[in-house]
Amino acid sequence: DTEVTQTPKHLVMGMTNKKSLKCEQHMGHRAMYWYKQKAKKPPELMFVYSYEKLSINESVPSRFSPECPNSSLLNLHLHALQPEDSALYLCASRTGDPGNTIYFGEGSWLTVV
Amino acid sequence: AQTVTQSQPEMSVQEAETVTLSCTYDTSESNYYLFWYKQPPSRQMILVIRQEAYKQQNATENRFSVNFQKAAKSFSLKISDSQLGDTAMYFCAFMKQAFNDMRFGAGTRLTVKP
Repeated sequence: DTEVTQTPKHLVMGMTNKKSLKCEQHMGHRAMYWYKQKAKKPPELMFVYSYEKLSINESVPSRFSPECPNSSLLNLHLHALQPEDSALYLCASRTGDPGNTIYFGEGSWLTVV
Repeated sequence: AQTVTQSQPEMSVQEAETVTLSCTYDTSESNYYLFWYKQPPSRQMILVIRQEAYKQQNATENRFSVNFQKAAKSFSLKISDSQLGDTAMYFCAFMKQAFNDMRFGAGTRLTVKP
């Protein structure tokens, strides 16, 4: 089972709104990721949580706020976004050694209007 | 910093034929992992194949195989007996061992023609 579940699949929000993207996995993976992907571009790493602690923050603007409430859940809180933040947001989780393989969810399409 | 280069933005292949996608990378690490992911129009990122750098044997998954040349820092993907469902964007990715970050190449858009 390599399922990573993301909700919502589609989100339209105004620039003054506050919304959240949610990601869930029940595979016991202890590393979880947020990637941002613009059209025709590769995914760009945003955040990594390892054992529920933020281990990588790729200089992402503070209008994106990650949260890892427990080992199965990862949230991305969105506030005061800009239209250029419209993108596909991919959540992923990583198996431990010896596999070290990252599995992705289906993504959340975000449109900022 | 590690970089991953995919020099073929687009490729096409006839159904049932074989195609090879290229990937090179730059790293000073000796232990790392390499991956090929497929992203069809649905945008779901699907793992195709993975390779540990310490393994000399090339990974194989059904119709998919890699040619891993560690000294040359090359990691190409061969798709045999191409099928229409193989039409997708293919990303090569690199991850250091014991680190969490995975970096992607720019991608190769593959079209399988009937």
